[in-house]
Amino acid sequence: AQSVSQHNHHVILSEAASLELGCNYSYGGTVNLFWYVQYPGQHLQLLLKYFSGDPLVKGIKGFEAEFIKSKFSFNLRKPSVQWSDTAEYFCAVNANFGNEKLTFGTGTRLTIIP
Amino acid sequence: DTGVSQNPRHKITKRGQNVTFRCDPISEHNRLYWYRQTLGQGPEFLTYFQNEAQLEKSRLLSDRFSAERPKGSFSTLEIQRTEQGDSAMYLCASSLGGQAVNQPQHFGDGTRLSIL
Repeated sequence: AQSVSQHNHHVILSEAASLELGCNYSYGGTVNLFWYVQYPGQHLQLLLKYFSGDPLVKGIKGFEAEFIKSKFSFNLRKPSVQWSDTAEYFCAVNANFGNEKLTFGTGTRLTIIP
Repeated sequence: DTGVSQNPRHKITKRGQNVTFRCDPISEHNRLYWYRQTLGQGPEFLTYFQNEAQLEKSRLLSDRFSAERPKGSFSTLEIQRTEQGDSAMYLCASSLGGQAVNQPQHFGDGTRLSIL
């Protein structure tokens, strides 16, 4: 069975600080990896995705993530956060054949202080 | 792209009552998923459809839960004899799926169920 671990439950940063949110997964096969973001009062939105190819993927709003296969990790990064990045961030994985159910981590709540 | 639409946004009901939620996926998407999210947790998979066929059900989906997707368009999720533990946000997602296609899932706003 797949599982996803997000180590940081709540992260508080000042504007312009750099961000890294950890995500580790457990699965025996090839996977697709995702980061979703949920802004207050809004639905889950796709931030970025990894299917294959370059392990460094860039998403919307200046976010990027790096897939490190040997570490089963897919950490999310942003060099300089903004107040508008305050949201809940979910890492998710599914099997890399067809389009299968997503397994989510428990999420990381990010609070940016102006 | 009109997005995934879910109704109602919020449902409050007494324990023991039946409730039904509706999800309208993005029109060209053949796959539809239901997830449940409780406070402090990520969404958990319940079931999914490819067109009108229900292809997988989670063990979380007890026999009080039933989902349908007639004609492969909208889907309904019904919970019979609701219990306190059913209180959660029920999320619907859709995607364009298939053997050689990798496409992300797009989520609706969810239906928040509150059991009194």
